[in-house]
Amino acid sequence: DAGITQSPRHKVTETGTPVTLRCHQTENHRYMYWYRQDPGHGLRLIHYSYGVKDTDKGEVSDGYSVSRSKTEDFLLTLESATSSQTSVYFCAISDTVTSGDPGEQFFGPGTRLTVL
Amino acid sequence: GDSVTQMEGPVTLSEEAFLTINCTYTATGYPSLFWYVQYPGEGLQLLLKATKADDKGSNKGFEATYRKETTSFHLEKGSVQVSDSAVYFCALYGGAQKLVFGQGTRLTINP
Repeated sequence: DAGITQSPRHKVTETGTPVTLRCHQTENHRYMYWYRQDPGHGLRLIHYSYGVKDTDKGEVSDGYSVSRSKTEDFLLTLESATSSQTSVYFCAISDTVTSGDPGEQFFGPGTRLTVL
Repeated sequence: GDSVTQMEGPVTLSEEAFLTINCTYTATGYPSLFWYVQYPGEGLQLLLKATKADDKGSNKGFEATYRKETTSFHLEKGSVQVSDSAVYFCALYGGAQKLVFGQGTRLTINP
């Protein structure tokens, strides 16, 4: 299994509070991604990173920010959490050097976030 | 934009039944196509992929053929097992680091 961990695995928070989710990889993969998974929507891309300090927006980026100060860590921050951000969040990694295809991604175990 | 449509679930079958999960896509250009599987409480895992028209991806008894003429990538397995119970996602990669997923199909296999 690809070495990807996410923390915390579960979190309950209140509306308006800041929340940071962490993704850590030991594979030295270049690309890292944050998705959210909601019933009926599959997975939707929030933000991704193509290198240290290099990030870009995905399909559902409003209300989220990211940072990548080291190759192995990719942080997702909800500046002021809302109930619509209750979801399961997945981190993923990929590297065209190893797989040759950016669509071949390796996923972490997920973080279940509940915003009350 | 690019999109993926999967058959509605949930799907419930008996052990040893034949499985088909339909997937169709809309994309510009020539995307790569994937099936990912998510077992309960886990993240997604790549099940199989195909990178060009008429390619067949296969793994663990599952198969899917990239059909450009029908823009489809249906997942099949000849004889399912209880351990195949999971959520299956069809996805396409068309470029710009954007992997687009279908909504997922929950499969339950009864003994």
